This record gives sequence, structure tokens and C-alpha cells, in this order.
Amino acid sequence: QSALTQPASVSGSPGQSITISCTGTSSDVGGYNYVSWYQQHPGKAPNLMIFEVSNRPSGVSDRFSGSKSGNTASLTISGLQAEDEADYYCSSFARSSTIFGGGTKLTVL
Amino acid sequence: QVQLVQSGTEVKRPGASVKVSCKASGYSFTAYGFSWVRQAPGRGLDWMGWISPHNGNTNYAQNFQGRVTMTRDIFTSTAYLELRSLRSDDTAVYYCARIICGADCHPPDYWGQGTLVTVSS
Repeated sequence: QSALTQPASVSGSPGQSITISCTGTSSDVGGYNYVSWYQQHPGKAPNLMIFEVSNRPSGVSDRFSGSKSGNTASLTISGLQAEDEADYYCSSFARSSTIFGGGTKLTVL
Repeated sequence: QVQLVQSGTEVKRPGASVKVSCKASGYSFTAYGFSWVRQAPGRGLDWMGWISPHNGNTNYAQNFQGRVTMTRDIFTSTAYLELRSLRSDDTAVYYCARIICGADCHPPDYWGQGTLVTVSS
């Protein structure tokens, strides 16, 4: 199973919005509503930000939102803050397995 | 609150085996399964497999078939990952992560803090 495709890096200034894409196939992202997004700061474990495409766990800021169209899922972060600088990974259920994207490094300028 | 606490750093020789533990607390252990995910230095997340809450059924990623065993002890609320025939490219941080399973298992929600396994001669 190939990894989901994410841009290697994105950047934005404080207060701006950015969107990270996650492209798969009809066998994973496009076929199920089980897409999650994780934030990972250096040296730390991943932290769940979005589950089931667009749901936020309690405690996650409403500046984070998720969506999906066809085989591509997206994570949008609005009102960028310095603490949002991290690596972001998407993940999807895929025929009895879980696959991850390659990760996107978000830089807050 | 949900907590997953993993065992400490391991240093192994090539060809050896390693067993990493993950002790769960704060929820009903038998209602959830575990995925194991590793991350090589400077690299992304790599799913290794999962162990379902339903009778402890397992499903391993093809890359690890034959070298990995995932188990759980419901009496101590602990999950285990064993990886055999270690190679230098198995050097990574290994994470346990909680999953919910219906007919199939979903991406994880809570994650352990990670266990660094270094394979070096």
C-alpha cells in the first residue's frame, strides 16, 4: 500500500490560513470516511487533531478543520499561531490496514 | 484520562529481538485495540500492524510479516510489540496507539510517548 501524498512543506504568516492536502485513492481516502490528521512537534508523539474527516477531539482548537473531496482530504488551519509550527500527518483506513501520508512541515514565518 | 506508557530505550545488536511494552490506563482496555507505528530518524510514520480488541486478532503490514508479533495481556492492561531479526534500518521510535475496531480498525486516537530502539553493532 503506497503512502498518501502530502506536500513536503507549507508556510504562512501569523493570522493567515493554510491548507494541507492529502491525496490517496478510492481504496483509502476516497472510499472511507476514516481520515485522521495528527500534529507532531519535534521529539514528541503525534497528537490527534481531526478524526473521521472533519471531527475535532475535545480540546483541539476550532482553528483546525478538515474536509474531503473525492480522493483528497484537506486540513485547514486558520489564524496561524507560532505554536502551530510542527509536522502534520494524514492517515486513512485502507482495506484492513492503516496508511499514513509522508508528512508536511508547517513553518510559521 | 487515557494514558499509554511505554517501556524505555533499547539498544540491540543486529540479529537480536526486542520487545516493547505499552501499559494502558484510564479506559476499558478490552474495548479498544492497538496499532503499532514506527518512525525512523527524520522520517515519517510507518504503520506496522494492529491487534484488535476482538479476541486479540492481529493484522500485520506486509513489510513486517514473519518478523513481528503483537500481543496483549488483559490482566495487566498491557500491549506488546516484538520485532525479531533486527537490522540497522529498524532503528526508530516505536509508538503504540489506541484504536477502535468495528468490522475493521480505524486510525489511532491516543498515542504512547514512544520507545527508541537503536540497532547497532
